Amino acid sequence: DTGVSQNPRHKITKRGQNVTFRCDPISEHNRLYWYRQTLGQGPEFLTYFQNEAQLEKSRLLSDRFSAERPKGSFSTLEIQRTEQGDSAMYLCASSLLGKETQYFGPGTRLLVL
Amino acid sequence: GDSVTQMEGPVTLSEEAFLTINCTYTATGYPSLFWYVQYPGEGLQLLLKATKADDKGSNKGFEATYRKETTSFHLEKGSVQVSDSAVYFCALSDIGDYKLSFGAGTTVTVRA
Repeated sequence: DTGVSQNPRHKITKRGQNVTFRCDPISEHNRLYWYRQTLGQGPEFLTYFQNEAQLEKSRLLSDRFSAERPKGSFSTLEIQRTEQGDSAMYLCASSLLGKETQYFGPGTRLLVL
Repeated sequence: GDSVTQMEGPVTLSEEAFLTINCTYTATGYPSLFWYVQYPGEGLQLLLKATKADDKGSNKGFEATYRKETTSFHLEKGSVQVSDSAVYFCALSDIGDYKLSFGAGTTVTVRA
């Protein structure tokens, strides 16, 4: 069990650029979740997948955000035309279908200048 | 919608002191309740959980009891150590999608 991994761990970009983050869940975990955490706040749900199907998206996920999980394994989260308000920690978690416990990765910290 | 309210911090304690972090929730159904912990420089880790009313979750000397009548899930530890210094998050998830709703977090610092 290698745990959930996320890459990159840190990303600095200029406003208007596109960025993509990757999450590798624990192998055989069917569900994969994305959360966003801003300074001093708890994580907020963005979206989740069951295998390759994206089952729910939060209203926080504007049209500039897109997430994929093409083969039901790793997932990517892309932010187009980044804005300073996108600066946050982006967290990925995975779980087995039917189990409540989610296992979190270390996160990707995004800074938009 | 579902929400979690937890005690604001920061909380500073001396070693061996008693720790309580209050957490209350609002949910339409019968959620599962969690405490997650984030140690400095590390990712979120599950500390303990309870899935139904009157269940008690426990781990590493921490305990929390699911109280449906008061919609609470307060975290307690009888004797804290310096290594317990971390940010603690209360969270809930509804049956089905299991997405988590978190409180704002409480920063705990334990001094030797």
